[in-house]
Formats: sequence, C-alpha cells, structure tokens
Amino acid sequence: AQSVTQPDIHITVSEGASLELRCNYSYGATPYLFWYVQSPGQGLQLLLKYFSGDTLVQGIKGFEAEFKRSQSSFNLRKPSVHWSDAAEYFCAVGAYDYKLSFGAGTTVTVRA
Amino acid sequence: DAGVIQSPRHEVTEMGQEVTLRCKPISGHDYLFWYRQTMMRGLELLIYFNNNVPIDDSGMPEDRFSAKMPNASFSTLKIQPSEPRDSAVYFCASSSRRAQGGQPQHFGDGTRLSIL
Repeated sequence: AQSVTQPDIHITVSEGASLELRCNYSYGATPYLFWYVQSPGQGLQLLLKYFSGDTLVQGIKGFEAEFKRSQSSFNLRKPSVHWSDAAEYFCAVGAYDYKLSFGAGTTVTVRA
Repeated sequence: DAGVIQSPRHEVTEMGQEVTLRCKPISGHDYLFWYRQTMMRGLELLIYFNNNVPIDDSGMPEDRFSAKMPNASFSTLKIQPSEPRDSAVYFCASSSRRAQGGQPQHFGDGTRLSIL
C-alpha cells in the first residue's frame, strides 16, 4: 500500500521569503502525486499534480513541485510567500484504485 | 462549474441522536469518497463509491456508520447512534476516471460535526 510522509509538522516563514515543503512517498509503481492546501474552515483545494512527463510541475497560486524518483520525493516550493499562503498543506499519493493516501500535513505560518 | 456540495456545514447534536450528512458530487464524476478529519488521526478515508456502488468500506469505524449513494448526484453518510468521539470534520470528494492527470479528487467544504 502507498504512504506519504511529511517530515515537517509546522513551518514559519517571513512574508516574501521562499518556502519549501517536503514530501516523501512510498509506492511500488509510478505514483500519482498531489499537493492540496486547506485554509481554516475550508475544504482541501488542489494546488498541483504529477502523473507523468516533466518532473517539475506548476500549480496555482505560484506554487511548483518537483518529482524526484530516486529520492521518492515530491517537494513543494514557492519563491516568495504571501500572508495569504498561511494554511495547512497536504501531500497525497494515488494508486490504480483511485484512492489517495494523505500525509499528516504541514502547517505554514507567515510572519510579517 | 459547481463544486462538491455538502450539507449541513455545521451540525451540533446530542449523543445518541441520528446524524445524516449529505453530499452532491461534481456532475459527471463517477467516484465519490467520504473522509473524516480529526486532530489526532488526520484525514481518514471512510468509504468510496464507483458508479454508485461501494467499493471499499474498510475505513468505516463501526457498524454505527453507514453510507449510501442512491444515484450519481447524491450520497449520504449516516451515524446512528452518534457518540461524542464521532465529533470531526467530514469531507466528501469526487473524481472522474476520465479526468487527465491522475484523477485528482475535488473536495467539498466539509461538515463540522459536534456530538455533545
């Protein structure tokens, strides 16, 4: 069965600084990989996805992620963080059965 | 396009009462998922349907929980009788087998359930 590890529970970053959130997955085949964001009181919104092709994928809100098969990683990045990026971020891996396995999430705090 | 619609957004009820959560998936989506989110356990998949048929209900915690999908545009998650430990945010999500890019799931805004 597939699984996801997000090593960082909480990250604090200054507004305008860069952000990188780590995600490691475990899956025997080529995975489908996703990043979601959840603002307080809201559902999960899809930021970006990877399933094949270019290993650097662009998403909404200025986010990008890079798939590294050798490291089983799919880290999320943003060059310059805005206060509105404060939220919880979830990495997920999907398999042939259309189920998703989610990481525990990383809470991002943005300080002025 | 309308997204996944869940109702109610908030539900407060007393222990022992029946609770029914509702979900309308995105039109044309053939997969529907029910999740529960708590601080302690994170996001847990409870059950999912394909073409209105339950495929995997191994995440349903107890027999008190049941889910139905009578048609392609409606699903319910029922808890009877409810207990305080059922307090959580319940999400519904849908996806399409025909979607490109690994069939991403689209989530509703959730139902925040509090059992007193």
